[in-house]
Amino acid sequence: KQEVTQIPAALSVPEGENLVLNCSFTDSAIYNLQWFRQDPGKGLTSLLLIQSSQREQTSGRLNASLDKSSGRSTLYIAASQPGDSATYLCATNDYKLSFGAGTTVTVRA
Amino acid sequence: GAGVSQSPSNKVTEKGKDVELRCDPISGHTALYWYRQSLGQGLEFLIYFQGNSAPDKSGLPSDRFSAERTGGSVSTLTIQRTQQEDSAVYLCASSLEGGGRYTDTQYFGPGTRLTVL
Repeated sequence: KQEVTQIPAALSVPEGENLVLNCSFTDSAIYNLQWFRQDPGKGLTSLLLIQSSQREQTSGRLNASLDKSSGRSTLYIAASQPGDSATYLCATNDYKLSFGAGTTVTVRA
Repeated sequence: GAGVSQSPSNKVTEKGKDVELRCDPISGHTALYWYRQSLGQGLEFLIYFQGNSAPDKSGLPSDRFSAERTGGSVSTLTIQRTQQEDSAVYLCASSLEGGGRYTDTQYFGPGTRLTVL
């Protein structure tokens, strides 16, 4: 069974600082890995999808890396803003998603 | 275009009652998934539909839970004889192809918050 771990569980940074969110997984037999954002009381918003053959994916201020052999992915958010405050979840996809517990980010103005 | 929609957004029920939760996927998406998010368990997979068939029901926690999908579109998750431990947010997602594709992105609805008193 896939086990997905996210560290840290919570993170608080001042506005403008770069964010680094870590995700690790135990089974490398995945098709892709997705990063999601969840705001309080809301559903999940897909941020980035990295295919298993890719090393990196970028969208605006977001950059995600994937090292399948070591079972790790990292989400970088550049120049954080208060609007980036949310819970960030990573999920591996072997056709169904297996989620980590998330990292709750607070960006202080 | 329209995203995944779910109804109701909130449902409060008494222990022992049956409830039905509805999901409307993105038009044209062949794959549909149900997940559950609870405080103690995080986000967990319940069931996967490809078209109208469910090749993977492995996440359904008990035989009180069932789901169907009709016309390759709308899906209903039914919980019979609800228990307090069923209280959670039930999330539905859809994707274009399903079945394990490298580019397949799952898009989520806003969820149904179920509270069992």
